[in-house]
Amino acid sequence: AQKITQTQPGMFVQEKEAVTLDCTYDTSDQSYGLFWYKQPSSGEMIFLIYQGSYDEQNATEGRYSLNFQKARKSANLVISASQLGDSAMYFCAMGHGFGTGTSLTVIP
Amino acid sequence: DTEVTQTPKHLVMGMTNKKSLKCEQHMGHRAMYWYKQKAKKPPELMFVYSYEKLSINESVPSRFSPECPNSSLLNLHLHALQPEDSALYLCASSQDRLAHRRETQYFGPGTRLLVL
Repeated sequence: AQKITQTQPGMFVQEKEAVTLDCTYDTSDQSYGLFWYKQPSSGEMIFLIYQGSYDEQNATEGRYSLNFQKARKSANLVISASQLGDSAMYFCAMGHGFGTGTSLTVIP
Repeated sequence: DTEVTQTPKHLVMGMTNKKSLKCEQHMGHRAMYWYKQKAKKPPELMFVYSYEKLSINESVPSRFSPECPNSSLLNLHLHALQPEDSALYLCASSQDRLAHRRETQYFGPGTRLLVL
């Protein structure tokens, strides 16, 4: 069984600052992938970044990076230089399972 | 192109109506999914189709009936729904289900369903 935990229901960040969204997971699989999705109020689930369990480097995609600590079973999302358009729900996911999400609000 | 399309965007239906949700992808993906998402909750998996065959049914009530006419299309037929079925229904696809734990799912914009 797999479990994803996001402990931050809501986060606020000043525009242009960096923010870290936490995600911990539990799985008995040796090979797995972790995903982060962004869901604006419009509802669409937008894929942001992927980290494979055997990837040696932390994943990066533009302003998004993943702080992957395998031994701690954590895969935190870092958003650099926050923009107003980053305000949304963010979900950490593994397979078909999603965490409870973090609502991020970027303050001008 | 990572586009998944869903129609309609919004749907209001009575408890005695029959309606269908449609999902389409042209990425050559062989796995397609239906999720249900209630407000302020994460998506919950309903069905998985792999190579046009139903491979996972997460104990979904029979008033929801999925159909995969071909590898690009996924339908969700709705009949005799209850008000508690009101939610955002998301369709997704991925290259392959076999390694789904490392497969990226691409989502459509969703259908917002209201059952009166």
